[in-house]
Amino acid sequence: DAKTTQPTSMDCAEGRAANLPCNHSTISGNEYVYWYRQIHSQGPQYIIHGLKNNETNEMASLIITEDRKSSTLILPHATLRDTAVYYCIVRVAPEETSGSRLTFGEGTQLTVNP
Amino acid sequence: DTAVSQTPKYLVTQMGNDKSIKCEQNLGHDTMYWYKQDSKKFLKIMFSYNNKELIINETVPNRFSPKSPDKAHLNLHINSLELGDSAVYFCASSQYRWVAGDNEQFFGPGTRLTVL
Repeated sequence: DAKTTQPTSMDCAEGRAANLPCNHSTISGNEYVYWYRQIHSQGPQYIIHGLKNNETNEMASLIITEDRKSSTLILPHATLRDTAVYYCIVRVAPEETSGSRLTFGEGTQLTVNP
Repeated sequence: DTAVSQTPKYLVTQMGNDKSIKCEQNLGHDTMYWYKQDSKKFLKIMFSYNNKELIINETVPNRFSPKSPDKAHLNLHINSLELGDSAVYFCASSQYRWVAGDNEQFFGPGTRLTVL
């Protein structure tokens, strides 16, 4: 799976958009970009994923550059409850016998301030 | 209506003891995982089971033995506990087959193991 690079920490004001960048310059054509987050003392939580196109769901939007070497997770109106570590993970769909693992990096600590 | 549950939430024990952590999922998934999060907060996969069959076994000491009695349960037994085993252990589940990348993993709340 391709390696990802994320800033160690970011701050955001409550109510504003939080834009979390991720670099994955060695991504392959069949690798997906996944985002998870981990709120303090809880298990990781899935947010969104994408392959080429931009994606949006009720939690966030995912913008993937045309060359797919980087992406941005957007939380449109950050709240205090969005304070968490955000993980950008790139992974290929598993073959039938290889299993399916998530390889977590260090992630970005997002702090939403009142 | 918990999706992935783990027991116990906290476990404090002495070095050399044997302990088990239990995990259950009610999502109908066919694949379950154990991850370990150490004091530096790195999350690493340990094991994965698909339909009660071991499919991922990372470089983990053989003191750790997962057991899957059925698709909904994956327990982790640890023999001869060591100080370095202190960590938070997370169970997760998902469907094995990917459809357009849909393979979301659902995590349990974690078990904080402290070895004294």
